[in-house]
Amino acid sequence: GAGVSQSPRYKVAKRGQDVALRCDPISGHVSLFWYQQALGQGPEFLTYFQNEAQLDKSGLPSDRFFAERPEGSVSTLKIQRTQQEDSAVYLCASSLLERGPYEQYFGPGTRLTVT
Amino acid sequence: GESVGLHLPTLSVQEGDNSIINCAYSNSASDYFIWYKQESGKGPQFIIDIRSNMDKRQGQRVTVLLNKTVKHLSLQIAATQPGDSAVYFCAEMSDSGAGGTSYGKLTFGQGTILTVHP
Repeated sequence: GAGVSQSPRYKVAKRGQDVALRCDPISGHVSLFWYQQALGQGPEFLTYFQNEAQLDKSGLPSDRFFAERPEGSVSTLKIQRTQQEDSAVYLCASSLLERGPYEQYFGPGTRLTVT
Repeated sequence: GESVGLHLPTLSVQEGDNSIINCAYSNSASDYFIWYKQESGKGPQFIIDIRSNMDKRQGQRVTVLLNKTVKHLSLQIAATQPGDSAVYFCAEMSDSGAGGTSYGKLTFGQGTILTVHP
């Protein structure tokens, strides 16, 4: 594909449900980032992968958040026991190399609404 | 903590006018700054970047100015068009990762809503 894709685009979850958000980065991109964007705010860093290695997860807000990229391509962000404060747009970005600064290409995001 | 911030301005301009969007940052160690454009329902789109050893960089219809003395960044859009209507974010990256290089973690500001009237 031409760019970063994410699925689903919209997800409504009842409080307490688990959700899984998928990111397909641009083929061959080494670096993959997850960001969380609350309404009216700028994106905030969650976690970073270099190939399959999760090198930084300092932005994950709680141990209910878990991310993986087992084969160094597709990544999944999982949120367990969702809470209302988890409602946000979750953005995935990829870049070609492992060192900055290199342009990060963002996907369209998954809008998660927890009711 | 370190932050890059916009004071949530909304900018409304007429088509053909020049637009200036401002950003204040607080991390003096930042080495690299980027402006992104985000349209409704889409992810941020790269517009232009600038390294900390520069004070000006020009692209197509856009110019970024960096004033390190007052930690201020601005984006100038010439001959603004309705298609430029979006939320604009500044973001910073610091070259302070392992081995002295950054893997690209970005810190974003809050955003400015630009509305261009035909």
